[in-house]
Amino acid sequence: DTGVSQNPRHKITKRGQNVTFRCDPISEHNRLYWYRQTLGQGPEFLTYFQNEAQLEKSRLLSDRFSAERPKGSFSTLEIQRTEQGDSAMYLCASSLNELTTPSDTQYFGPGTRLTVL
Amino acid sequence: AQSVSQHNHHVILSEAASLELGCNYSYGGTVNLFWYVQYPGQHLQLLLKYFSGDPLVKGIKGFEAEFIKSKFSFNLRKPSVQWSDTAEYFCAVIPNSGGYQKVTFGTGTKLQVIP
Repeated sequence: DTGVSQNPRHKITKRGQNVTFRCDPISEHNRLYWYRQTLGQGPEFLTYFQNEAQLEKSRLLSDRFSAERPKGSFSTLEIQRTEQGDSAMYLCASSLNELTTPSDTQYFGPGTRLTVL
Repeated sequence: AQSVSQHNHHVILSEAASLELGCNYSYGGTVNLFWYVQYPGQHLQLLLKYFSGDPLVKGIKGFEAEFIKSKFSFNLRKPSVQWSDTAEYFCAVIPNSGGYQKVTFGTGTKLQVIP
C-alpha cells in the first residue's frame, strides 16, 4: 500500500495524559498536512509542513499541541495534558506540490481516532 | 479568513434521482474550490476541483460542479445517483494567493441513496 498511513488508528487515553500520533506520507510527497475532525464537522486545518519546515500553524494548535517532521518524511503530532475536548479524528494528508497547483491534490490517510476519558 | 457553508446536512434520495448539493464560500480574493467525498469506511478523497477556466468542472463517477463567482457558489451535481454514491461530501476552499496551504472545509453533507 503506497498511500498515507497513520498510527495508531485508535487511541483511548485518560485526561491529562500525553499522546503521540504518527503519519507516514506517500514517499515522494514533500508536503504534509494535519487536520482535526470532530463529529458533525469537516476537517479543520491544524498545520502544514514543506519537507521538515513547519510553514503554517492554525490558532487551533494550542501550546499543548506540537507537530514535527524531523527528516522531511514521517511526521508526529503530540498532544500534551489531553483534555476531553481533544477527542476527535486526527487526519494526515500529503501532496507532492502546493495545493494551488492545478495538477496536484492532497491524499488523506485513514486518521487516528482519539478518545479522551 | 475564508469560510465554507454547506446548507444540506443530510440528504436522502432514491436511486436515479438527481442530486444537487449546495456550497457557498466567503473570501475576498481568488480561490480554488474542491469537493471531497468519504465513502463509508474509506479515506477522504478528491471528487473534483476548480482552479480556473471553464466554471463547469467534471469529476469522477459522473459528478460535476459549477463555479458561479457572482454567487460565491460551487454546487455539486449528478443527474442520476446510485446506491454506491452513499457517502459524506465536503466542499472546500483554498485562497489562490500568498502561498498559503490552509484548506477550509465545510461541515459536510451526508447523502443516503435508497435502492
